[in-house]
Amino acid sequence: EVQLVESGGGLVRPGGSLRLSCAASGFTFSSSSMNWVRQAPGKGLEWVSSISSSGRYIYYADSVMGRFTVSRDNAKNSLYLQMNSLRAEDTAVYSCAKSLSAAADWFDSWGQGTLVTVSS
Amino acid sequence: EIVLTQSPATLSLSPGERATLSCRASQSVGSYLAWYQQKPGQAPRLLIYDASNRATGIPARFSGSGSGTDFTLTISSLEPEDFAVYYCQQRSNWPRTFGQGTKVEVK
Repeated sequence: EVQLVESGGGLVRPGGSLRLSCAASGFTFSSSSMNWVRQAPGKGLEWVSSISSSGRYIYYADSVMGRFTVSRDNAKNSLYLQMNSLRAEDTAVYSCAKSLSAAADWFDSWGQGTLVTVSS
Repeated sequence: EIVLTQSPATLSLSPGERATLSCRASQSVGSYLAWYQQKPGQAPRLLIYDASNRATGIPARFSGSGSGTDFTLTISSLEPEDFAVYYCQQRSNWPRTFGQGTKVEVK
């Protein structure tokens, strides 16, 4: 069974930093592209970032480009999101999601998410 | 950026009725469209990908159709567990984008 467990969320002041982690199990992590998706309280889904299985290809939403950095450690079956220069509008539940296949990054398994609150 | 517009925002139906949800893209996405279901407090669940392919374990009452810019998710006969919010998403272009969601509520 695929399991994705996020951690690292919390309360941070505007301009601060956080590093989110996603621990994966139940599938071949090193063969799977991975993604971060966020959902602000009471709002819809917003794609944040994607990283290929090797980490060679990385994509970001314009809203986080230059502030967030996605990475992975295939030896540890872990995905990360380094978030710098945080803003109030980054407040959301951040979820990691596994891609359906190498050729199709549909989000077929999701974690429950970790809440990031940016507030003074 | 490809904008996905879902309609209606809210659909009020009774169990057993047919639900028809629409997703319109601002430019062609070919068949690169998916549908997700999200219930309160839960992670989204992939229902349909590539416009018309049901994901693993998804009941046959869920079906997707369309290509280009106009897509439809149909739930043939609503079960109590189907009342939720539904999102469409495209993977034709970066950035990946979602629609704003359609809430299917009990009438």
